[in-house]
Amino acid sequence: GAGVSQTPSNKVTEKGKYVELRCDPISGHTALYWYRQSLGQGPEFLIYFQGTGAADDSGLPNDRFFAVRPEGSVSTLKIQRTERGDSAVYLCASSAGQLDTQYFGPGTRLTVL
Amino acid sequence: QKEVEQDPGPLSVPEGAIVSLNCTYSNSAFQYFMWYRQYSRKGPELLMYTYSSGNKEDGRFTAQVDKSSKYISLFIRDSQPSDSATYLCAMQPSGYSTLTFGKGTMLLVSP
Repeated sequence: GAGVSQTPSNKVTEKGKYVELRCDPISGHTALYWYRQSLGQGPEFLIYFQGTGAADDSGLPNDRFFAVRPEGSVSTLKIQRTERGDSAVYLCASSAGQLDTQYFGPGTRLTVL
Repeated sequence: QKEVEQDPGPLSVPEGAIVSLNCTYSNSAFQYFMWYRQYSRKGPELLMYTYSSGNKEDGRFTAQVDKSSKYISLFIRDSQPSDSATYLCAMQPSGYSTLTFGKGTMLLVSP
């Protein structure tokens, strides 16, 4: 079936604005992950969902970041009061189960001006 | 010191060369080791997955894990220009889902 999809592919916003990034996982995958990849760095973990609940949100940098997965499928990462330092590629991954292979989407490139 | 160290490169080789990519790590709890390939402006795709120490081969790719030295390697034989990408090592403790990545090594294979 289709892979992980993310929308938008690019998002440019101004400092202080609110943004939402969407992830559509592979159909049937119960686990969903958000990572952030800054320029020249590897992906860094943000949050992990098992079903509808956040099983581990220890990677969220501060309370401006929040993510939801209300029906256990699509997830939205929400960033309030964006800062220039939030500029990065936000990657979503899904896996069939908790410890299974993670498949990544193409990412959303966020630029905060 | 970061948990996973990886030389960012770039590593430039001619077509047909054998490529060696490496990562070191400090967390002895890591049990699962992966190599992902990432093309420019794309998401990472899984290349190799190994558990604990040992070797694993898949076509032109061989992954090695030496837990005693906390050192992992990826070898690419008969490298092709299409192998030009960033290679990310990733690790995972037993029972935990989240991955810890290295910075990635940029590989350039010239025709």
